[in-house]
Order: sequence, then structure tokens, then C-alpha cells
Amino acid sequence: EIVMTQSPVTLSVSPGERATLSCRASQSVSSNLAWYQQKPGQAPRLLIYGASTRATGIPARFSGSGSGTEFTLTISSLQSEDFAVYYCQQYNNWPPYTFGQGTKLEIK
Amino acid sequence: QVQLVESGGGVVQPGRSLRLSCAASGFTFSNYGIHWVRQAPGKGLEWVAIISYDGGNKYYADSVKGRFTISRDNSKNTLFLQMNSLRAEDTAVYYCAKDLYNYDSGNWGPGDYWGQGTLVTVSS
Repeated sequence: EIVMTQSPVTLSVSPGERATLSCRASQSVSSNLAWYQQKPGQAPRLLIYGASTRATGIPARFSGSGSGTEFTLTISSLQSEDFAVYYCQQYNNWPPYTFGQGTKLEIK
Repeated sequence: QVQLVESGGGVVQPGRSLRLSCAASGFTFSNYGIHWVRQAPGKGLEWVAIISYDGGNKYYADSVKGRFTISRDNSKNTLFLQMNSLRAEDTAVYYCAKDLYNYDSGNWGPGDYWGQGTLVTVSS
């Protein structure tokens, strides 16, 4: 099973600043990596798939990069609605699909 | 618009069974694989199972294999999760999610549309 590790666990950033979230896979997942955003009481929302492709309706301030075992989600200028928990997920070697433990992005 | 609506959650005793449903609309249900993903209270996301567009292929997480069964009725645009021998650690919100890729792509991917979830509580 591929283990996904996200860092940091919590990230404190001021509105308008840039946020950089990391995700590491225990073995290569090629570019088969997705990022989700989840707000309290809501379902996850797909942000990025294929490591760098924005899903339908996702603002351009969200960008993904990386391949193999190291991935990054960047939010270029944080808006108030961006404060949430973010998960990465690999879909290269499955079952099982595996998620990272999440990064909580909070207001500084 | 794509919509997925889960139902069937509730409180159940350990060892008992429960059947979840996921009603889909707004897309050609029979063209897509569908996932079940769960989230224990205050915890992260855990993938549970996936079924192919035609129901011919099913895959499970080890934690539920042999106890849970995923199925679908394409004539009714509905997905199911039969959960037997429930344990306290199965307590979670259960989400269904449509796979990103259409069956003719030959690919399986992440979930691009998710339902709002249904809460299952296993407790005596």
C-alpha cells in the first residue's frame, strides 16, 4: 500500500499571502495525484488531478506541481474561503486509493 | 448538474448490517465508476470501495473486504453499499463519489463529484 504523507499538519497564513502545501508518496505514483479541499460539515471538493490539472470551476490561484513522489499544492493569494483542510490522494497503484492525513490551512 | 445523494445511515449495533444507497442524477450514471469513501469523526478520508461502470469490477479496502459489498442498479441510477458484521471502527460519514473518467477512457481516477454523506454510527 502506498503511504501518502502531507506536511505541515497545520499551516498558518495571512489572507493575500501564498500558501504551499506538500505531499509525499512512499513510492512513485507518476502524476496520478489529486488534491481536495474540505470545509467543516462539507464533502471534499476536487481541486487538482493529474498532479497539475485544475478541476472544473477551480480558480486559477490554485496550482499543483510535482511527479513521482513529491507534490505541491500552491494557493497564490489566499482568500477567506480558502481556509480549510486539504488532502492529497494517489490513484496510481490501487486498490487501495490512499489519502494523506490532511493539512489544515488556518488564518494567521 | 451532477448530484449524488446518500441515504440509509443510522445507528446500528455491532455485528449487525446496514445498506447505504446513493442516488445519482445529472450525468450518464451507467458510464462511470463510483467510489465509496468514509470519514470517521474528526479524522481524515479513507477510501472504501469502487465499482466499474457496468458493475463487472469491484475493489475494496482491506479493512472492509469480506464484510462490505458494493453494487449498482444502472436502471435506477443508484449505487449501494451493503455493510455486514459492522464494527465500532466503521463509524463514519460515508460519501459516494463519481469517478472523474468515463468508461471509454480506460482509466480510473479520483472522485470529481461527491454527495453530502450519510452518517453511520456503530454502537451498542
